[in-house]
Amino acid sequence: DSGVTQTPKHLITATGQRVTLRCSPRSGDLSVYWYQQSLDQGLQFLIQYYNGEERAKGNILERFSAQQFPDLHSELNLSSLELGDSALYFCASSVAGTHEQYFGPGTRLTVT
Amino acid sequence: QQQVKQSPQSLIVQKGGISIINCAYENTAFDYFPWYQQFPGKGPALLIAIRPDVSEKKEGRFTISFNKSAKQFSLHIMDSQPGDSATYFCAARPSLGYTGNQFYFGTGTSLTVIP
Repeated sequence: DSGVTQTPKHLITATGQRVTLRCSPRSGDLSVYWYQQSLDQGLQFLIQYYNGEERAKGNILERFSAQQFPDLHSELNLSSLELGDSALYFCASSVAGTHEQYFGPGTRLTVT
Repeated sequence: QQQVKQSPQSLIVQKGGISIINCAYENTAFDYFPWYQQFPGKGPALLIAIRPDVSEKKEGRFTISFNKSAKQFSLHIMDSQPGDSATYFCAARPSLGYTGNQFYFGTGTSLTVIP
């Protein structure tokens, strides 16, 4: 158990809908990262937050957004969902200034 | 563009054998190279990591070999066991001077260890 929690574990929704994925980092970790894992794309970095502020952006679609709250938990919002958004979404956290990232168990999103 | 290239895509090894997974990169700003192990239905778990100032790092049956001039690094699993059957990802991260702390992942290697 990495100490990173994600909810929900599974999510099934229809095209065009909007969903919110939640992540709680390990105690003391200030950075949160979101990754998308699909069969054909592997693990793709989406976005990083550090202590409430956006730090880095990867291949995140404009339909997706994220935020980190004062209690350091983070939410990833996915809107206007398409079939191709079906994937595993992982959150990871790290202590500021170190390299190690610890991953949560993921949220499996299925768009029908 | 895939910043970290990983091979092979899948690997089958007999119990007790050596599993070798290779990764290559181009960005010379990378200075941290972790390997992650992922079991079905679980998140990736940090297995072992290396910095480019050393050529090898060993932790138990897992060894990373690093060749800075060739911009390649590999994971060796000695005495492979059925419990090692998982997907392995290499990754690389630019130095802390870069904005952010994002990892660039390889595409993964599915390892199967046959009893």
